[in-house]
Amino acid sequence: NAGVTQTPKFQVLKTGQSMTLQCAQDMNHEYMSWYRQDPGMGLRLIHYSVGAGITDQGEVPNGYNVSRSTTEDFPLRLLSAAPSQTSVYFCASSPRQGNGYTFGSGTRLTVV
Amino acid sequence: EDQVTQSPEALRLQEGESSSLNCSYTVSGLRGLFWYRQDPGKGPEFLFTLYSAGEEKEKERLKATLTKKESFLHITAPKPEDSATYLCAVQDGQNFVFGPGTRLSVLP
Repeated sequence: NAGVTQTPKFQVLKTGQSMTLQCAQDMNHEYMSWYRQDPGMGLRLIHYSVGAGITDQGEVPNGYNVSRSTTEDFPLRLLSAAPSQTSVYFCASSPRQGNGYTFGSGTRLTVV
Repeated sequence: EDQVTQSPEALRLQEGESSSLNCSYTVSGLRGLFWYRQDPGKGPEFLFTLYSAGEEKEKERLKATLTKKESFLHITAPKPEDSATYLCAVQDGQNFVFGPGTRLSVLP
């Protein structure tokens, strides 16, 4: 069982570039979410999905888009990267909202 | 506004020296309190969920307890491999809020 797989592990972008962070899980979990982690601020929820075809905004959604066309995949799109989006991004999944999450290993993104 | 604070920010223990980490929260309707462990460069690893005041959960040297305003993570006779950052999070309806974490170092 791979659990939650995130790619890439590291990425450097120039301001204004766009990219997609990939997240895939093989546990048939309905609930998936994206967090960013910044020093001293804790994990902050960007977007989440309670099932295929359903997404909603979290605490810090601006500058990010998501879609959920399958149960397994939940990509996060940065539309026009800004230095403020430099962070470590984690994807997480659970059988349903309110269960303990399984997290991926993270993507470290630097925007210059 | 939901808030989660953790103390201390960092804690250094000798191997075998028991201690407790604190998670204080302010939410309008607690649906669950979660503890995670995070090693450097890795994603958080789920430890416990507590749902109501008075509830306790144990796993090896760790025991989590919950009151109406805070949770404690008790570490009994810690070993160096317990060194990590410990995160707590609370769920209030659809909202899920993480604390900043406590960085624990256990010295041999």
